[in-house]
Amino acid sequence: NAGVMQNPRHLVRRRGQEARLRCSPMKGHSHVYWYRQLPEEGLKFMVYLQKENIIDESGMPKERFSAEFPKEGPSILRIQQVVRGDSAAYFCASSPAIQETQYFGPGTRLLVL
Amino acid sequence: KNQVEQSPQSLIILEGKNCTLQCNYTVSPFSNLRWYKQDTGRGPVSLTIMTFSENTKSNGRYTATLDADTKQSSLHITASQLSDSASYICVVSPNNAGNMLTFGGGTRLMVKP
Repeated sequence: NAGVMQNPRHLVRRRGQEARLRCSPMKGHSHVYWYRQLPEEGLKFMVYLQKENIIDESGMPKERFSAEFPKEGPSILRIQQVVRGDSAAYFCASSPAIQETQYFGPGTRLLVL
Repeated sequence: KNQVEQSPQSLIILEGKNCTLQCNYTVSPFSNLRWYKQDTGRGPVSLTIMTFSENTKSNGRYTATLDADTKQSSLHITASQLSDSASYICVVSPNNAGNMLTFGGGTRLMVKP
C-alpha cells in the first residue's frame, strides 16, 4: 500500500506565476489535509477536504489560494500569482476518517524567485 | 488561544545517550496528543498517540508520557542512534478532529557519533 504521494517534490516559480501542487492520498483514505511549513516554523493547517467537498478552509488565505479534491484524481492545491512569501514546504496528509491518525506525504517545496 | 510549546528548540547528543524532549500545551478541551518524527526533507511520521486517560505510551526506544493535569508531555529516547536525528513534533487535538490539530514548533535533535 503506497503512502501519501505528492508531486512535484520541488517547484520553482517566478513572482506572478501559478503553482499547482498535487496530492494522492493513501488507498482507502477519503480525508485530505493541506499544511504549510515556513522555514524554522511548525506546520500550519490550511484546508481539509473530503471527496468533492471542502470541509474547512479556515487556515487558507482568502485570495490566490484554492484547493480541490475531485471524485477522480489527486487533490490539488493551487496558488495563483505567487509571491516570495509563498515560499514554503507544503504538506498533504490523509486519513480514513477525521479522528484517525493522519499520514503525511513527503511535501512539495515551493521556491518563488 | 490554543498553543503548543516545545523545548528545547534544538539538542545535540552523542550516539547511545538518552534524551528527553518536552511539550507544554494550552489546548482546551483536550482530546489527544501525538508525537511525530520528521526527517529532513520528509513528511512527519506518527510515533505515539495518547488520550487524556493514558500516562505513558511506548514505541520501541521512544516513550511518551502525558500529564493532563499540568498539560505537559515528554518524549524520552533511549540509547539514541544516528537515525534518530530529526525534528520531533508535538501535536495536540482539542476534539479528535483532524482539522483542529495544533502543532508545536518541534525540537531538532542531532545525534553525533
